[in-house]
Amino acid sequence: DADVTQTPRNRITKTGKRIMLECSQTKGHDRMYWYRQDPGLGLRLIYYSFDVKDINKGEISDGYSVSRQAQAKFSLSLESAIPNQTALYFCATSLGFDYGYTFGSGTRLTVV
Amino acid sequence: KNEVEQSPQNLTAQEGEFITINCSYSVGISALHWLQQHPGGGIVSLFMLSSGKKKHGRLIATINIQEKHSSLHITASHPRDSAVYICAVYSGGGADGLTFGKGTHLIIQP
Repeated sequence: DADVTQTPRNRITKTGKRIMLECSQTKGHDRMYWYRQDPGLGLRLIYYSFDVKDINKGEISDGYSVSRQAQAKFSLSLESAIPNQTALYFCATSLGFDYGYTFGSGTRLTVV
Repeated sequence: KNEVEQSPQNLTAQEGEFITINCSYSVGISALHWLQQHPGGGIVSLFMLSSGKKKHGRLIATINIQEKHSSLHITASHPRDSAVYICAVYSGGGADGLTFGKGTHLIIQP
């Protein structure tokens, strides 16, 4: 099994629908991140969490919310999806800035 | 906010060539990461650097802190090296993750 698992891998949804992207990890890392990747742009940080009780907004949090259900689980929700949220979404984990990051395989989300 | 610039944006080379990908950043950093994104989309961490040089197999990463510049080299390139290579930096002073470059799309032709 992968160290960081994202589900679903691909999702097509309609404008206005609520959707949840899930991330689970077996690395034992406290720090978890959600990033978004758009063509021609670098990955951008949506939300990050240092532990279950610590959740912080990133650069582009508007339109998104997150839940850290356990140390190993960090979910990203789009409350009312819109077409410009079509992107590739990555979950990542880390022990800290001076350690490496482990990325999930990504979720390709299309909002029509 | 740190600005991360990579060059070239696209690179096509022949199998066996020596490859260099460059990364420059605008603000002093605590750590720099090189990542590889496969055509299927998955991202793998290759190196994390805060100074000097690291080598893993045919991959070599160097960083010059004073010049705010890092390079990723691939020796004896192979078609399986074809991927997007991403530079990312951590500037410290908080806990807001990495700032990413836009990536270098590398194609190695047989």
